[in-house]
Amino acid sequence: NAGVTQTPKFQVLKTGQSMTLQCAQDMNHEYMSWYRQDPGMGLRLIHYSVGAGITDQGEVPNGYNVSRSTTEDFPLRLLSAAPSQTSVYFCASRGPFGRSSYEQYFGPGTRLTVT
Amino acid sequence: AQRVTQPEKLLSVFKGAPVELKCNYSYSGSPELFWYVQYSRQRLQLLLRHISRESIKGFTADLNKGETSFHLKKPFAQEEDSAMYYCALSGRNNDMRFGAGTRLTVKP
Repeated sequence: NAGVTQTPKFQVLKTGQSMTLQCAQDMNHEYMSWYRQDPGMGLRLIHYSVGAGITDQGEVPNGYNVSRSTTEDFPLRLLSAAPSQTSVYFCASRGPFGRSSYEQYFGPGTRLTVT
Repeated sequence: AQRVTQPEKLLSVFKGAPVELKCNYSYSGSPELFWYVQYSRQRLQLLLRHISRESIKGFTADLNKGETSFHLKKPFAQEEDSAMYYCALSGRNNDMRFGAGTRLTVKP
């Protein structure tokens, strides 16, 4: 199993540009989520999904969109990038919905810089 | 509201000294609590979870519901323990919330 994969590893955007961060998992996990990691702020939840076709907002959803058309994929879209979105983005997945004690598996991260 | 607080951003100890990383939480219900670790240039990975009551790499953590705490402890720190440590809480919706993290440095 590849686990959780993310592309790209690095990205530089200009203010106002749009892009999609890709995330995929091959563990048949129902639950997937996106976090951003900023110094002194820890990991903050952006959006999450408890299954295909179902998404919900986390702590910091503004400026980001998600969709979940398949169990495997959970892309994160930045519609109009802003410098405040410069961060490291982590995708994660977890086992069946309702099992809150299950471990969450993380991808390697995408380092995004918005100039 | 679901919140995790790690009051120390940085913690530095000498090799062989005891170490305690503090974590407090607020949650109306019975939470599931975790400690995750991120070593340099590696992915975030699970260190331990309260439900397992296990000791991993010499670390333990006890859930204290009265004090709403889940502090991480190790009696004798090693240099390879230097890393970023995150406390996390999972609630009813399965969404996992993290604290701000504590960077532990173990000096030789």
